[in-house]
Amino acid sequence: QSVLTQPPSVSGAPGQRVAISCTGSSSNIGAGSDVHWYQQLPGTAPKVLIFGNNNRPSGVPDRFSGSKSGTSASLAITGLQPEDEADYYCQSYDNSLSERVFGGGTKLTVL
Amino acid sequence: QVQLVQSGAEVKKPGASLKVSCKASGYTFTGHYIHWVRQAPGQGLEWLGWLNPNTGGTHYAQTFQGWVTMTRDTSISTAYMDVGRLRSDDTAIYFCAREFRVGVYDVFFDLWGQGTLVTVSS
Repeated sequence: QSVLTQPPSVSGAPGQRVAISCTGSSSNIGAGSDVHWYQQLPGTAPKVLIFGNNNRPSGVPDRFSGSKSGTSASLAITGLQPEDEADYYCQSYDNSLSERVFGGGTKLTVL
Repeated sequence: QVQLVQSGAEVKKPGASLKVSCKASGYTFTGHYIHWVRQAPGQGLEWLGWLNPNTGGTHYAQTFQGWVTMTRDTSISTAYMDVGRLRSDDTAIYFCAREFRVGVYDVFFDLWGQGTLVTVSS
């Protein structure tokens, strides 16, 4: 089991909005640790989409946004496009383990 | 060009050891920690630990302590991950990734190697 919990899959039609949750605990997200999000296209290395809870690196479309509240975080994708079909992972720091931790990943299907 | 280039795919027998390299270019190698992450077939990402290329200091995930060793050669801007006593469930893609620090403990991975597929099979 992953320290951070994500839904295994989400789906949406082109143009729609989807959100992917990332639930942690008082030793990671709830302790104030930042949440970062990665997109992994098939057969490639992960790529950072959101860092520091809600910041987009240059080149990432503003269709992607992040938020954090309490012991959870969320990645929202608006205006879904076929190329958004990928696996998405959240990542944070757990102070009881002293380790970087990932969510189990969410597969996004664009219908 | 800023990049991390890893060594090629490996096939190993159970019980064997392994060394994967990760060569940095286009930036100051000693300026960013290097982390190692693995991904078993069809599974999620699993963090193994970090290496401070400047000092050689390391920190490993509890699950992997005693199994993984991270080292570096600053003269060739290369980080290494040594693992021993491989088992079939160690079959995975092993990635190196560069750390970008946004807080005392808050870091994310802004640059990734292409991954090294390690297959453990008798």
